[in-house]
Amino acid sequence: GQQLNQSPQSMFIQEGEDVSMNCTSSSIFNTWLWYKQDPGEGPVLLIALYKAGELTSNGRLTAQFGITRKDSFLNISASIPSDVGIYFCAGQLGYGGATNKLIFGTGTLLAVQP
Amino acid sequence: DGGITQSPKYLFRKEGQNVTLSCEQNLNHDAMYWYRQDPGQGLRLIYYSQIVNDFQKGDIAEGYSVSREKKESFPLTVTSAQKNPTAFYLCASSPWAPLAKNIQYFGAGTRLSVL
Repeated sequence: GQQLNQSPQSMFIQEGEDVSMNCTSSSIFNTWLWYKQDPGEGPVLLIALYKAGELTSNGRLTAQFGITRKDSFLNISASIPSDVGIYFCAGQLGYGGATNKLIFGTGTLLAVQP
Repeated sequence: DGGITQSPKYLFRKEGQNVTLSCEQNLNHDAMYWYRQDPGQGLRLIYYSQIVNDFQKGDIAEGYSVSREKKESFPLTVTSAQKNPTAFYLCASSPWAPLAKNIQYFGAGTRLSVL
């Protein structure tokens, strides 16, 4: 099955630092989603993006839908210990039928040292 | 509280045994999904269902079976044919309509281990 290229695979940072991660694909997506997963729990939706070039914020999180529609970026500003977890991107190819399924990235593990 | 409930949280399977993982949602979503998560591999789609009494294979359906007799419920059976069942299993649901924005919401997961 298809998966997105997500990078970096892991990040170990100090509290207060900013974080950037991204996802790229060879396919064009109509929707990009970013999820966060805490250990032993299910992913929780952070941000949804629906238009090329769209920039959306949720508190200290900002995500962008790439102009080419083949990539997306997530930034976290002033990281805090509770930001620890795995961050996943997900893309939707189209609308209706099989293309309504989501394709998930492989995840970025974030560790924040107080 | 609206949401997706998975049970049990932890499950152990003996050799040759079938086990069933429960997923119930009260979000009135049409579509439901099952994913398998292994370390470092992200989420892989096992089965999905767009409507009651209909379901489709995902990328890794071999060794699994599902049913969708009710809109709220989408149980997953891990059969004895699945030789490497140890994983974290996630259930999700979403709206499903033409031109819909497919936002999937997840349950808390079931961790399956082999004895």
